[in-house]
Amino acid sequence: SQTIHQWPATLVQPVGSPLSLECTVEGTSNPNLYWYRQAAGRGLQLLFYSVGIGQISSEVPQNLSASRPQDRQFILSSKKLLLSDSGFYLCAWSQGGNGYTFGSGTRLTVV
Amino acid sequence: GEDVEQSLFLSVREGDSSVINCTYTDSSSTYLYWYKQEPGAGLQLLTYIFSNMDMKQDQRLTVLLNKKDKHLSLRIADTQTGDSAIYFCAESKAGGGNKLTFGTGTQLKVEL
Repeated sequence: SQTIHQWPATLVQPVGSPLSLECTVEGTSNPNLYWYRQAAGRGLQLLFYSVGIGQISSEVPQNLSASRPQDRQFILSSKKLLLSDSGFYLCAWSQGGNGYTFGSGTRLTVV
Repeated sequence: GEDVEQSLFLSVREGDSSVINCTYTDSSSTYLYWYKQEPGAGLQLLTYIFSNMDMKQDQRLTVLLNKKDKHLSLRIADTQTGDSAIYFCAESKAGGGNKLTFGTGTQLKVEL
């Protein structure tokens, strides 16, 4: 069966520090992968999506970047965090029309 | 456009039915989904409906789709306290990385 792992679950980072959040998927090949941010406990904003290795599409201009070094690995990064980067980050994968399967999320607090 | 709208809050008594509504604007949507998010957790897919269907039932859940009015609803029968969560509707289109557009979410509160 397919599973998705996202870590860490919580993270507190100072302003200006780097960021690396990792997401891996098991049990499937060539999935579509997504990074979402959920601010204020409600709306979901699509940050990046990837349809294949090395293929990254950015949805909104921001302080973050994404990479897909392997088929089932999706990484969200920043060189220097801003206070406004705080939020709940969700990774998800999909294949076909069966919707998304989400990871358990990372709560990022920038202080 | 790709706007998906939901009311922010819904409060029901335990044992009653809950109906969560969603409207969307993109007539080319292929699938429509309902997700549930419990506090501090990721989103869990509850059910989905293909755009050529008008109803889908899965145990306590009933999804109704009015494609003409671009209106989607989720009915939860015999609502329990464990159903308290935020419910998101979402729409997708064919191609384009299968991106989903999510609604703003409806906070369902179940009272005793």
